[in-house]
This record gives sequence, C-alpha cells and structure tokens, in this order.
Amino acid sequence: ETGVTQTPRHLVMGMTNKKSLKCEQHLGHNAMYWYKQSAKKPLELMFVYNFKEQTENNSVPSRFSPECPNSSHLFLHLHTLQPEDSALYLCASSSRDRVSEKLFFGSGTQLSVL
Amino acid sequence: AQSVTQLDSQVPVFEEAPVELRCNYSSSVSVYLFWYVQYPNQGLQLLLKYLSGSTLVKGINGFEAEFNKSQTSFHLRKPSVHISDTAEYFCAVTRSGGGSYIPTFGRGTSLIVHP
Repeated sequence: ETGVTQTPRHLVMGMTNKKSLKCEQHLGHNAMYWYKQSAKKPLELMFVYNFKEQTENNSVPSRFSPECPNSSHLFLHLHTLQPEDSALYLCASSSRDRVSEKLFFGSGTQLSVL
Repeated sequence: AQSVTQLDSQVPVFEEAPVELRCNYSSSVSVYLFWYVQYPNQGLQLLLKYLSGSTLVKGINGFEAEFNKSQTSFHLRKPSVHISDTAEYFCAVTRSGGGSYIPTFGRGTSLIVHP
C-alpha cells in the first residue's frame, strides 16, 4: 500500500465512450503526475500538477484531459480514444519541495480501447 | 536535460544466482539516482536511491547499487535472487541542483528468475 489509490483498476471502453480515471492521495504531497506505460515502451510522462496547477503537458493529445480539483485528487478524462491508447495509466505523487523525494505510485488503471 | 539508458531489456537468471542490472545516465549537472521495482499488476515502488555520500547504497529486499561518477553508472546488484524478485526494474535520475524535479526514467529491465 503506497498511499496512492487509483480507480478503476481495469477499464474497457469503445472509441466513442467517455470515461474518467481517478487518483487520490492523502500523503500531503503537492505534486501529482500521470504516466502512460505501454508494453515494450518507456514510461511516458503525460501531465504534472504542482499545487493544483498544471506545470507539464508532454504533447499529449487533447482526447486526454486532466483535472486537479485539489492537491489530493487527480482525474484523467478520456474521450474518443484510439486502440493505440490501450495501456496501463499510472498516477504518482511526490513532495515538490524536496527534489530528492521519491515518487509514490498507484497500482494503475489497465485501459483497453476497443 | 538528463537521460537514462538501461541496456538490458531482459535478464534471465536462475534462483540463488547473483544478478546485476545495468544503468547508465547522462547529465551536465549533478544528479540524484533511483531504482524502482514494478511487480506484476502493481505500480512502481522505490528500491533505493543515491543522493550523496557513500557510493554504495543499500535498499530493500537485499538489493544494492553503486554510484560510479566517472563511468556515469548506477548498476543494481543482488548476490542471490529469489523467484519473488521477478519484476520490472527501472532506473531514474533527477537533477540535484534545483530546476526540474521530475525524474527521467529508463526503459526498464525485466528480471526473470527461473527455479
């Protein structure tokens, strides 16, 4: 148990669906991240929020829309996805004030786009 | 910017044998170095980290890593592996002097322990 909870654990959706991934942490961290992990590919940073403000958008397509309503919650809204978007989506959090601080990861949401 | 290279995508080894997973980094500034492990169907969790001081760092589950500045390496080792060590291992680097705090990850090395 890392203190970072992601729901749902698995999600299957069609290309025309709209769904949301949720991430929650109560570790007092002020930075939250979305990563995409595809088979045989490096971990891809998607978005970073620092004190609820988006500080990084790593050229992510607009069909992925992040939302950070407060420092404990992070969402990833999905719409009109493509089959190549099927992957494990990982949320992480850390303390922005300490560069040496490790990232705490959730268990991920395994997404399948049909 | 910094980068991380994990040359081995897969390392098969027999149980109780020693193992070394290689990690090389590139950076124009001082860095912090990390090893994370990802067990099947789970997120990543920290194994160990190097910030400063002794170049030999000990982590959880009997793993250790040695920071070699001249060779820009941070290889992970374990003298005797168990079946339960089968997992994906990621090396990561962060700038130590401020600026971007976001770690750069390597591609990962899949450690497969055979009985």
